Amino acid sequence: NAGVTQTPKFQVLKTGQSMTLQCAQDMNHEYMSWYRQDPGMGLRLIHYSVGAGITDQGEVPNGYNVSRSTTEDFPLRLLSAAPSQTSVYFCASSYSYRGGSPLHFGNGTRLTVT
Amino acid sequence: GQQVMQIPQYQHVQEGEDFTTYCNSSTTLSNIQWYKQRPGGHPVFLIQLVKSGEVKKQKRLTFQFGEAKKNSSLHITATQTTDVGTYFCAGYTGTASKLTFGTGTRLQVTL
Repeated sequence: NAGVTQTPKFQVLKTGQSMTLQCAQDMNHEYMSWYRQDPGMGLRLIHYSVGAGITDQGEVPNGYNVSRSTTEDFPLRLLSAAPSQTSVYFCASSYSYRGGSPLHFGNGTRLTVT
Repeated sequence: GQQVMQIPQYQHVQEGEDFTTYCNSSTTLSNIQWYKQRPGGHPVFLIQLVKSGEVKKQKRLTFQFGEAKKNSSLHITATQTTDVGTYFCAGYTGTASKLTFGTGTRLQVTL
């Protein structure tokens, strides 16, 4: 049981490049989400999904796209990377979207945009 | 939008001293969760509080949820070096599916 798996662990991009951060969970969790973590700002929600085929915006969605074609996978796409997107990205899932279920986090992706 | 603030942002204690972090929300929370993130790691769920005025204990950790369900605290008694990390509170408002995290409190413990 791997839990939440994120790839890659590290990535360096040039401004304007695009890339996809991968996230997969094997717990049959209904809810999946992406957060970014910046010093002094805690974890900020980018996008989330309450089930396959359903996604919604979080607090800081601009510059990011997501899709949820299966229960297991929830990739995060950076359309045109900017230095402001330098951050640590965490994918997290929980059993239910109705609130109250603990989030299970992946190990994170450290992204640097130059 | 909902804002969740934590104080202090950073605290450095000697091993054996107590530590408290406070979490304050701009809106009423349906429940509150606490997470711990070790340096270089990912957040790990500690506990959830649901009822107004609720108090829960996990060994040396005591969690409280305020009567108005807008604030919470985490108190660690007799800190150990294994307590080092950043502690986050996180809350849901109403039926929202968005878990909003606090700004976090980084705890450093030295011998």
